[in-house]
Amino acid sequence: VLTQSPGTLSLSPGERVTLSCRASHSVSSYFLSWYQKKPGQPPRLLIYGAFSRATGIPDRFSGSASGTDFTLTISSLEPEDFAVYYCQLYGFFGGGTKVEIK
Amino acid sequence: QVQLVQSGAEVQKPGASVKVSCKASGDTFNSYTISWVRQAPGQGLEWMGRIIPLSNTPNHAQKFQGRVSISADESTKTVYMELSSLTSNDTAIYYCARCDRTNWHCDLWGRGTLVSVSS
Repeated sequence: VLTQSPGTLSLSPGERVTLSCRASHSVSSYFLSWYQKKPGQPPRLLIYGAFSRATGIPDRFSGSASGTDFTLTISSLEPEDFAVYYCQLYGFFGGGTKVEIK
Repeated sequence: QVQLVQSGAEVQKPGASVKVSCKASGDTFNSYTISWVRQAPGQGLEWMGRIIPLSNTPNHAQKFQGRVSISADESTKTVYMELSSLTSNDTAIYYCARCDRTNWHCDLWGRGTLVSVSS
C-alpha cells in the first residue's frame, strides 16, 4: 500500500533531506501522517494530514503531497534528527527510511 | 498529565496467549481511538487494530483476524490487546497509541510492552 524510498540515507548535519512515500492508489492527503522512530522510544508524530505539523514539532520539518506521492522534508538536519521515518495511511505503515550519519 | 501507561514485559511460550493493557488518563478515552502497533526486532511498524472506547467497537488488521482481540473497560479507562496462538514471530514491542477518529494520526503513545515468545 505504501512504499517508502530510499531505504537508507547517509547524510551530514545541516543537509537537506527529502523522504518519499508513495501510495499504491489515489488517496486523500487528509489520511497521511509521518512519524519519527528512535531506538528505545515510541514513535513520534511529526506531520498529519500530509501538511500539518504536530504540536511541538520544529518548522524544519514539512510535508507535501502530489497525487499518490507524499514527501517529508527536513530543511537542515540536526544531530537529533538521525532516526527512522515512517509514513502512515489508515492502518498501514510504510517500510521506513533510515536517516543515518555519514 | 495526559498519558498512556502500559503493562509490563511478558515472556510466553509458543502457543500461549498474552494480554497487554493500556491505561489512559484525561479525556483520551472518550474522544479518540486507541490503536495497537507493534515492532519486531529489526523490523518496521505494524498496525494491528484499534478500538473506539466509547462504543467498544474494535477493528483489526486482516493479518491478525481470529488471533487478536481488542477490548475496552470504560470504568477503568483501560484498553486491552490479547494475542493468541503465539509464535516466535510475535516477539516484539507492542505499543498502544491515542489516534484521531477520522484521519488516523496518532499523537500520544505508550512506552511499549516487550513480549518475548520462547520455548
